[in-house]
Amino acid sequence: AQKVTQAQTEISVVEKEDVTLDCVYETRDTTYYLFWYKQPPSGELVFLIRRNSFDEQNEISGRYSWNFQKSTSSFNFTITASQVVDSAVYFCALYNAGNMLTFGGGTRLMVKP
Amino acid sequence: NAGVTQTPKFQVLKTGQSMTLQCAQDMNHEYMSWYRQDPGMGLRLIHYSVGAGITDQGEVPNGYNVSRSTTEDFPLRLLSAAPSQTSVYFCASKGGGNQPQHFGDGTRLSIL
Repeated sequence: AQKVTQAQTEISVVEKEDVTLDCVYETRDTTYYLFWYKQPPSGELVFLIRRNSFDEQNEISGRYSWNFQKSTSSFNFTITASQVVDSAVYFCALYNAGNMLTFGGGTRLMVKP
Repeated sequence: NAGVTQTPKFQVLKTGQSMTLQCAQDMNHEYMSWYRQDPGMGLRLIHYSVGAGITDQGEVPNGYNVSRSTTEDFPLRLLSAAPSQTSVYFCASKGGGNQPQHFGDGTRLSIL
């Protein structure tokens, strides 16, 4: 069975601070895909990034960056210079060849002005 | 671009009632799935389908039935609703391989 753990249930920062959301996963598969989704207060789920198990390159997209480390089974997400609009619940998820997408419990990020 | 459409958005049921949550997608995606979201537990997979006529169980299938007669539609049925099924339900679809899932806006279901 696969598992995704987001140990931080809630994080509160002040605007312009950097914040890192942690994600640790477990799987026996050698081929898998990792995702981050954002769920703003309005409730919809927004796809942020996908990474496959063979690509350990870090990625930066604007204020967002992702650090994938296979050696520690981690796929962490950093927001630089956080903004109030970043306030949301963020989910890390793992997809395997068995067509199962497993979500972590989510991290609620609150960015205060 | 409708994407994934879920109906209804809200529903209140009494224990023992039956209900069908509708899900339709217009992206010709083969893969569709249903999740429930409970506080502090993220999203959990209920059932999924890799194509018309094919369904399979996810992590929490008990109490739910699904069918997939067309590529576009993937309804979720509660045959006898229980208070433990109070949750927010999300339907999703995706293209082949490792494509990200597209989610509907969710159905908030309360069972009294």
